[in-house]
Amino acid sequence: LAKTTQPISMDSYEGQEVNITCSHNNIATNDYITWYQQFPSQGPRFIIQGYKTKVTNEVASLFIPADRKSSTLSLPRVSLSDTAVYYCLGRRGTYKYIFGTGTRLKVLA
Amino acid sequence: DGGITQSPKYLFRKEGQNVTLSCEQNLNHDAMYWYRQDPGQGLRLIYYSQIVNDFQKGDIAEGYSVSREKKESFPLTVTSAQKNPTAFYLCASSGRAKVLTQYFGPGTRLTVL
Repeated sequence: LAKTTQPISMDSYEGQEVNITCSHNNIATNDYITWYQQFPSQGPRFIIQGYKTKVTNEVASLFIPADRKSSTLSLPRVSLSDTAVYYCLGRRGTYKYIFGTGTRLKVLA
Repeated sequence: DGGITQSPKYLFRKEGQNVTLSCEQNLNHDAMYWYRQDPGQGLRLIYYSQIVNDFQKGDIAEGYSVSREKKESFPLTVTSAQKNPTAFYLCASSGRAKVLTQYFGPGTRLTVL
């Protein structure tokens, strides 16, 4: 994955769907795409991970196009508690992950 | 209750002193990591260890040291050589599966007085 690029910040209103896109042009053939959520003064929390097409779990969906050069994290019907920083992870080598500055999502009432 | 523990949560030290941050995991993970986070910034990798008695420098290893004598423990020492040590320090671990999902501890906030 190497370096990733994502928007610095986003605002949304409660109840809306939020989509955060990450660009990862140098993705390796065997790399998975991973997203984390971080609240202030806490460790990042794993949200979702995928390799291709679409992955859905109880908190989010992850859309990955066929060329895998980008991915979109989709948060359905956000609430105030979803206000956090969201990271799309890059990877350099087997064990070295790269966290960018992330996307600061602010959910408004 | 499986997870990663870091202690202490808050740590204060005087300039010129070394200080050791604790990280313990009971997830039976092979790999462990230390990250540093500054206000408004992402995480930067300090050191990582793939297996006991082995560790590698990350992107900002200068002024830090680690040891990995046991699988479940990966302490980080912030030495007096670290010029700007005030930061939030995060420890993580991951298994050896094909998909290396990292699990993070709650972090230690270090303040140099």
